[in-house]
Amino acid sequence: DAKTTQPNSMESNEEEPVHLPCNHSTISGTDYIHWYRQLPSQGPEYVIHGLTSNVNNRMASLAIAEDRKSSTLILHRATLRDAAVYYCILRDLAGNEKLTFGTGTRLTIIP
Amino acid sequence: NAGVTQTPKFQVLKTGQSMTLQCAQDMNHEYMSWYRQDPGMGLRLIHYSVGAGITDQGEVPNGYNVSRSTTEDFPLRLLSAAPSQTSVYFCASGRGFTASPGPNEQFFGPGTRLTVL
Repeated sequence: DAKTTQPNSMESNEEEPVHLPCNHSTISGTDYIHWYRQLPSQGPEYVIHGLTSNVNNRMASLAIAEDRKSSTLILHRATLRDAAVYYCILRDLAGNEKLTFGTGTRLTIIP
Repeated sequence: NAGVTQTPKFQVLKTGQSMTLQCAQDMNHEYMSWYRQDPGMGLRLIHYSVGAGITDQGEVPNGYNVSRSTTEDFPLRLLSAAPSQTSVYFCASGRGFTASPGPNEQFFGPGTRLTVL
């Protein structure tokens, strides 16, 4: 499985944008980039995913580099509720449903 | 929809005891899986199922059994609990790749916190 690399932790001020980076230099052409987050004492929840083009949804935006070797999850206006561990995960198109979680990035929001 | 439900929320076992962690989903999802999460770690896949009657091993299957007799339920059995199985267990479900083009999101339950003494 292709591997992802994320910073262990990040801090951001409330109501400011947050950019969470992910490196995946060994990504294959059929790998989708997924982001999940885990709020304290809860199970992970889906945030967003993409293949090549940038993606937006109600929770966040996903910016994918042109060579696909890195991506950035963007929270446009962080709230205290966005404090969580964010996981960047690659999933291939070959029908593999398995999610391989790393240790993710722990995001702290400063009021 | 209740989504993915797990019972119990908390459980304490003695070494050698057996128990079953329950997981149910009401979204008619074909794919279900079990993960464990140790302190400060990411989730690790224990077992998964792509449909009723079909199960397979994940990354850390030793000491655990599963079965999938219905689409809705995917219980996880600990045969002889060991302190190394102290962890938080999460169940997840998803529609699977066949439901629509590309991968689909997975939904996770609230977790079962297990302590083995």
